[in-house]
Amino acid sequence: DAGITQSPRHKVTETGTPVTLRCHQTENHRYMYWYRQDPGHGLRLIHYSYGVKDTDKGEVSDGYSVSRSKTEDFLLTLESATSSQTSVYFCAIRVMGPERVEQYFGPGTRLTVT
Amino acid sequence: DQQVKQNSPSLSVQEGRISILNCDYTNSMFDYFLWYKKYPAEGPTFLISISSIKDKNEDGRFTVFLNKSAKHLSLHIVPSQPGDSAVYFCAASPGTASKLTFGTGTRLQVTL
Repeated sequence: DAGITQSPRHKVTETGTPVTLRCHQTENHRYMYWYRQDPGHGLRLIHYSYGVKDTDKGEVSDGYSVSRSKTEDFLLTLESATSSQTSVYFCAIRVMGPERVEQYFGPGTRLTVT
Repeated sequence: DQQVKQNSPSLSVQEGRISILNCDYTNSMFDYFLWYKKYPAEGPTFLISISSIKDKNEDGRFTVFLNKSAKHLSLHIVPSQPGDSAVYFCAASPGTASKLTFGTGTRLQVTL
């Protein structure tokens, strides 16, 4: 358990509405990530952060934005939700150390866009 | 372009036998490889990793083998237990860079 929580855990929203998902960590990790998981695609990186106010795009960033104003919180925003953004969203942190690249994941948020 | 491939979507193994999950990659820059296990309605859990300077890494019942020339890695679980039934993802990273690329997953079912 890397002290990661995600909120909400489930959300149903309508097409065109804005949605913000929150990831919170308690262990002061520098790197944080947002992934989406879809059948047939595995886990795909949306955005990641390497420090407060430092973020970068992943492979599926279109339609998403992120913000990190505090070390412990990493927010993912869908400015105008579409049905193609129905997915399970996972937040992750990276534990730093020699020869270490593993990431630890939160419990996920299931988002349905109707 | 799928840089990390898991060509078997599912695998069924009897309890007590060996489970072998396979993963292939195409990007020569990858030199760290990881396996994750995922139960329904939970986040993925890190299992084991290997760097390209090794060809084997072992942790209890789990062993990862890396064949760099074939760009292939495998996860062996011995003996398999019913609690091992889950989806397994392999992932890769170029050096100690911050990003992982995941495969599409293999669903393992361990039967009694």
